[in-house]
Amino acid sequence: AQKITQTQPGMFVQEKEAVTLDCTYDTSDQSYGLFWYKQPSSGEMIFLIYQGSYDEQNATEGRYSLNFQKARKSANLVISASQLGDSAMYFCAMREGTARSNYQLIWGAGTKLIIKP
Amino acid sequence: GAVVSQHPSWVICKSGTSVKIECRSLDFQATTMFWYRQFPKQSLMLMATSNEGSKATYEQGVEKDKFLINHASLTLSTLTVTSAHPEDSSFYICSAPKAYEQYFGPGTRLTVT
Repeated sequence: AQKITQTQPGMFVQEKEAVTLDCTYDTSDQSYGLFWYKQPSSGEMIFLIYQGSYDEQNATEGRYSLNFQKARKSANLVISASQLGDSAMYFCAMREGTARSNYQLIWGAGTKLIIKP
Repeated sequence: GAVVSQHPSWVICKSGTSVKIECRSLDFQATTMFWYRQFPKQSLMLMATSNEGSKATYEQGVEKDKFLINHASLTLSTLTVTSAHPEDSSFYICSAPKAYEQYFGPGTRLTVT
């Protein structure tokens, strides 16, 4: 069965430090995509970064990078130089397959990140 | 990017009444839209997949007669919570896929008194 596991319910990190949010996944598909979303207290879901299963390079978007370890089935999000505005819930999600009909995402439980000044 | 709007952003209604939530893709067409429900401090729970021109596909345990979904056009899907009860109070979010990404609406916070 498809599954996304985020083992950290909550994290406290000092401002300006780097933080790694864990995500492991389980799938039997060879083709899949992994996403990270940020959800601040306002509730909106903000797309951060995407990694395709066939991408050889780890995805990066500004201060966000995805540490993709395919053999271990992990897709950890790394936020460099954390800022107070990074405080939010973070969700890891997976989409299986590449067909246009396969848009459904499987969600992890989320990690609440709090940045301390 | 792509923009998805939701209306209203928050609503308070009395128990027994019905509430309609709209989800619009503003700058792209979406034959499929997803409706999620989220309880405080929990993850998103997929309720149903809305399909333009056909019936919605509901997830197991979601009452289709209570949560009516209509995908009337390529840019609009609506979720109607019928005969709302306090336990229906939640945060409802829609999303629409474009290419391989999903774009989310800002969400609707429903409170049933």
